[in-house]
Amino acid sequence: GAVVSQHPSRVICKSGTSVKIECRSLDFQATTMFWYRQFPKQSLMLMATSNEGSKATYEQGVEKDKFLINHASLTLSTLTVTSAHPEDSSFYICSARTFYGRNYNEQFFGPGTRLTVL
Amino acid sequence: AQTVTQSQPEMSVQEAETVTLSCTYDTSESNYYLFWYKQPPSRQMILVIRQEAYKQQNATENRFSVNFQKAAKSFSLKISDSQLGDTAMYFCAFMNWNDMRFGAGTRLTVKP
Repeated sequence: GAVVSQHPSRVICKSGTSVKIECRSLDFQATTMFWYRQFPKQSLMLMATSNEGSKATYEQGVEKDKFLINHASLTLSTLTVTSAHPEDSSFYICSARTFYGRNYNEQFFGPGTRLTVL
Repeated sequence: AQTVTQSQPEMSVQEAETVTLSCTYDTSESNYYLFWYKQPPSRQMILVIRQEAYKQQNATENRFSVNFQKAAKSFSLKISDSQLGDTAMYFCAFMNWNDMRFGAGTRLTVKP
């Protein structure tokens, strides 16, 4: 299957700072990228969907000014947590979906990023 | 919006036995995809099996098979010959053209 990477895998930051998480599709062009948040022992909650070159669509209850998503190319999407607070501490997972080539309509997940806000 | 329900928070099975995990979903769409994902302690999501809604035949992948009942909106996963490495969280997921939704998950423990 295709590979999706996330960087960093783990980040610790101070309250009030901003953190950027990168999600890359390494060997395919991602038509759409999804960002999920997962609290311990819970399911993946969809935060937003982004299509290359257009604004992200946020789920109800997700603050778009706090969780900035940029999908500037077909292989890169970024999630920036602005003015992070301890309650933003969570595991963030991205996934990428493509409508091109041999991976048509498949969805591939990154390994996740553990964010801890002190 | 689509919803996915997994009513079994935890299950256990003896090694080499068979176990079935339940999943129901709600949608008004006719074209969609259903998945079972495994999430081990590493938290990497691993695709177990996939089913296209337009296909009547149930998907199978080695020891894993599904019972897809479209009219009942049911999508259960059967794991045969359970192995210790099958111990993980299992998530049922629904995908249409623009998003993917997950159930709450079932924690499966395979006992030696």
